[in-house]
Amino acid sequence: DIQMTQSPSSLSASVGDRVTITCRASQDISNFLAWFQHMPGKAPKSLIYAASTLQHGVPSKFSGGRSGTDFTLTIISLQPEDFATYYCQQYDSYPFTFGGGTKVEIK
Amino acid sequence: EVQLEQSGPEVKKPGESLKISCKASGYSFTTYWIAWVRHMPGKGLEWMGVIFPSDSDTRYSPSFQGQVTMSADKSINTAYLQFSSLKASDTAIYYCARRGYMDVWGQGTTVTVSS
Repeated sequence: DIQMTQSPSSLSASVGDRVTITCRASQDISNFLAWFQHMPGKAPKSLIYAASTLQHGVPSKFSGGRSGTDFTLTIISLQPEDFATYYCQQYDSYPFTFGGGTKVEIK
Repeated sequence: EVQLEQSGPEVKKPGESLKISCKASGYSFTTYWIAWVRHMPGKGLEWMGVIFPSDSDTRYSPSFQGQVTMSADKSINTAYLQFSSLKASDTAIYYCARRGYMDVWGQGTTVTVSS
């Protein structure tokens, strides 16, 4: 199975900050990487697919990047509604797998 | 509008069986895979497997192979996740989602297993 190592597991940030979350795949997954936002009591929301393509309706404050098997999710100008848990997921080969999640909390 | 509507919350006893559903609307149900994801209290998301409704081809995570059964009824645009003998450790929220990269999610079904 492909392991997705996500870091950090949690971070504290202030409104207006820029944060970057990293996900490393244990082997080449090309750009078959998605990012999700999960807020308590709600269903996860798709943010990005194909490593850097924003889902329809997702604001451009979210961006995704790739360098080899390392992937990043960057959020600029954090707002209160952005405080949530974020997950990466590879969909290159079965079984698809999630990273462990990053909880973004208010400092 | 593309939607996945899941069945309501369930409270079951250990050993009981359960089948939860995920009804698709707003797109051609047989065109895209449907995935199932587990979210246990206080834990991360876990990919359980997928089913292709057109021919019911399924791919399970090894962690869930033999523990659950995925099925689909394309006549009513509905996918199912079935448990044959529930355990307390099956207590979780179960989500269905469309496509490999899960662009659309159901609202989740809360399953509580307790004696």
